Amino acid sequence: EPEVTQTPSHQVTQMGQEVILRCVPISNHLYFYWYRQILGQKVEFLVSFYNNEISEKSEIFDDQFSVERPDGSNFTLKIRSTKLEDSAMYFCASNGLPEEPQHFGDGTRLSIL
Amino acid sequence: LAKTTQPISMDSYEGQEVNITCSHNNIATNDYITWYQQFPSQGPRFIIQGYKTKVTNEVASLFIPADRKSSTLSLPRVSLSDTAVYYCLVGAGTGGSYIPTFGRGTSLIVHP
Repeated sequence: EPEVTQTPSHQVTQMGQEVILRCVPISNHLYFYWYRQILGQKVEFLVSFYNNEISEKSEIFDDQFSVERPDGSNFTLKIRSTKLEDSAMYFCASNGLPEEPQHFGDGTRLSIL
Repeated sequence: LAKTTQPISMDSYEGQEVNITCSHNNIATNDYITWYQQFPSQGPRFIIQGYKTKVTNEVASLFIPADRKSSTLSLPRVSLSDTAVYYCLVGAGTGGSYIPTFGRGTSLIVHP
């Protein structure tokens, strides 16, 4: 069964640095999403992306964040000037149509020191 | 946005049937109901999705009453490996914007 893959599985970064989290969505999917989950808290929507544009974004997704689909397979989340509170699991998801179930990757654990 | 309400936690024993009910009083006409399962340090995993009446797959059943203001996820004969957090999501009807909203979910603990 096709899977969403995320790399790296764990990223440790100094506060103030930039990080790029990478995702390879399922190949025939058109809609892409990023979520985050702070330890012990609920999964929070960050952004959805379709046709090379952001479709929706939450209040969390401010100017510190950006997304990009640099080629036909990767979908990235860039976090600039990282803060301690950015430490969390970041999940990528994809689906073929908005009403279809989303397929999630196993996440990147981001630790900001 | 349709808000969902689920029990915070449930306990069960191996071999029992577990039913988790989710309330979504302001569900919109085009909204689907989707359930996910999440294990620690893993991404949510799709279990089942429905629009109305009953849906069954190889792992679960989803019961949706006529008014669609609630739904019940039924897990037959649970095992220890079903210990996880279960989330109910409502939305993603075509033609409208959709911001997936996860609640706190229901933490299911299956005991031997």
